[in-house]
Amino acid sequence: DAKTTQPNSMESNEEEPVHLPCNHSTISGTDYIHWYRQLPSQGPEYVIHGLTSNVNNRMASLAIAEDRKSSTLILHRATLRDAAVYYCILLRSNDYKLSFGAGTTVTVRA
Amino acid sequence: ETGVTQSPTHLIKTRGQQVTLRCSSQSGHNTVSWYQQALGQGPQFIFQYYREEENGRGNFPPRFSGLQFPNYSSELNVNALELDDSALYLCASRFGGTKGTDTQYFGPGTRLTVL
Repeated sequence: DAKTTQPNSMESNEEEPVHLPCNHSTISGTDYIHWYRQLPSQGPEYVIHGLTSNVNNRMASLAIAEDRKSSTLILHRATLRDAAVYYCILLRSNDYKLSFGAGTTVTVRA
Repeated sequence: ETGVTQSPTHLIKTRGQQVTLRCSSQSGHNTVSWYQQALGQGPQFIFQYYREEENGRGNFPPRFSGLQFPNYSSELNVNALELDDSALYLCASRFGGTKGTDTQYFGPGTRLTVL
């Protein structure tokens, strides 16, 4: 499985944007970039996914580098509810099992 | 729309015992996966069930087994419990069989403690 590298932790102030980087230098052409997050005492929650183009949804935006070797999850205005562990995961189009790493722990200050 | 539910919420067992954990998938979903999450780590894939058959397995021994029922609910059984089996067990459901781009919806998990 292709690996991803994320910072262990990041801090943000409430209502400010958060940019979460993810490096995946060994990504293959059929790997989708998925982001999940896990709030305290809950199961993981889908955030967003993309292949080549930048993606936006109601939760976040995903910016994918042109060479696809890195991506950034953007939370436009962090709230206290966004405090969670964020996981960047590569998933082949014919695969289904999510390989979670350690993720990035995001802390939001009021 | 009902989300993924799991029971029980917490469970305490002793080493050597057997345990059954249950999962009800989200309405319309025919695929269920199970994950084990040790404290402070990311979830690890155990296996997946699609239309009542196991069609994918992670690096877990045979004492981890499962079932999927006609209504797509699922059970995870663990025999001969070991101390290292203490973890949060997560169930995730989706509609799609083997298609990897589908969103997976996770339940809140069952916290298993083995003494």
